[in-house]
Order: sequence, then structure tokens, then C-alpha cells
Amino acid sequence: DAGVIQSPRHEVTEMGQEVTLRCKPISGHDYLFWYRQTMMRGLELLIYFNNNVPIDDSGMPEDRFSAKMPNASFSTLKIQPSEPRDSAVYFCASSLEGANGNQPQHFGDGTRLSIL
Amino acid sequence: DQQVKQNSPSLSVQEGRISILNCDYTNSMFDYFLWYKKYPAEGPTFLISISSIKDKNEDGRFTVFLNKSAKHLSLHIVPSQPGDSAVYFCAASTRSNTGKLIFGQGTTLQVKP
Repeated sequence: DAGVIQSPRHEVTEMGQEVTLRCKPISGHDYLFWYRQTMMRGLELLIYFNNNVPIDDSGMPEDRFSAKMPNASFSTLKIQPSEPRDSAVYFCASSLEGANGNQPQHFGDGTRLSIL
Repeated sequence: DQQVKQNSPSLSVQEGRISILNCDYTNSMFDYFLWYKKYPAEGPTFLISISSIKDKNEDGRFTVFLNKSAKHLSLHIVPSQPGDSAVYFCAASTRSNTGKLIFGQGTTLQVKP
């Protein structure tokens, strides 16, 4: 079974550039999550979707960040313009249900983003 | 304001012994608690979970204990194996917002052969 697929695995770009991270969830999963992991803040939820609709975007740091889910099999997280403090590992996850233990979230391997 | 805390950044145990990883939380509204394991350059993988209506859940070598009065949960690994060496995250969610997992900072477990 294919897991959650994220691309690219690594991204290095200069500040001010637009960055787009991509995610393909597990087929049939209704929920999709975007997380960011940093040394300072650990693993934090940015936004999640249910049936392609954004449900909670309270973790999105600022207007420079936006996320879309145009269909059930694809989501993007965009940063425009990017800043050095956005450097982190970004994870996408999907699940059949929300966040309970019966149907846990499955994570992709992440995108390591470096903004110079 | 960290609602889920893992106060031990690292833990080292001998192969075959018990590993105990601890997690404290502040929000009494949490309904579910989960443990994830993470290897370098990979995403976290689900390990075991427990509902707030239980105080123990066991799955093979892994057992999670929940003490609601103390707002504390722990993960026991018995016996520990070198392949268990990883970062362990505890996480929690509420029924009212089941999509939102709050993660602790993680504990790095090293199991020595």
C-alpha cells in the first residue's frame, strides 16, 4: 500500500521566493493534515482538512502561508514570500477519522525546507 | 503554553530492560492519547493509543498507562530492543476537535546492545 507521499523531499531556496510543498494522502482517507517540525516548537499542526474542506487553520503562522486541497488526492502548502525562519521539516499526514486511536494519522516522510 | 509535555529529552536503556517514557498534560478535556515513534529522515509512525475512559492499553511489548488524576501517561517497552531506538512523541486530542493532535516535544530513546 502506498503511504502518504510528499514532494519534494528537500527544498533549498532563497528568501523571498515562493515555495510549494505537495502531498498525496492515502487513498480513501478523509482527513489531511499539515505539520511543521522545528527545534524550538517541536511538531505543530498548521492546518487540517476534512473532505477537502479546511477545518482548523489556527496553526498557520501568518498570511504568507496558505494551503489548498483541490481534490481528495492532492494538497499543497504554499509559502510566499519565504523567510529564513520558515526553515523546518514539513509533514503531511492523512487519516480515516480525526485524531483518535482507532484510525490514527499516517505521516509522510516530510519535506526538509531550507530558506537561505 | 505547552499542553503536552515530555520533560525528558532523552533516555538510554540496556537491551532487554524496560524503557519507560513519560508524558504530562494540562488539558483535562483530552479524550485520546497516542504515542508515535520517529526514525531519522522519516515521518512519525503510530505506535499505540489509549482512550481517556481506560487506564491501560497493551499491544505486544508496548503498554500505555493513563493516570487521569495526575494528568500523566507513560509508555512501557518490555523488553527493549536496539530497533526501538528512535524519538517517541506523545500526543493528545479532544473529541470536540478530533482533527487536532497536540504533540509533546519528544523523547529520544537509545537502546544499547
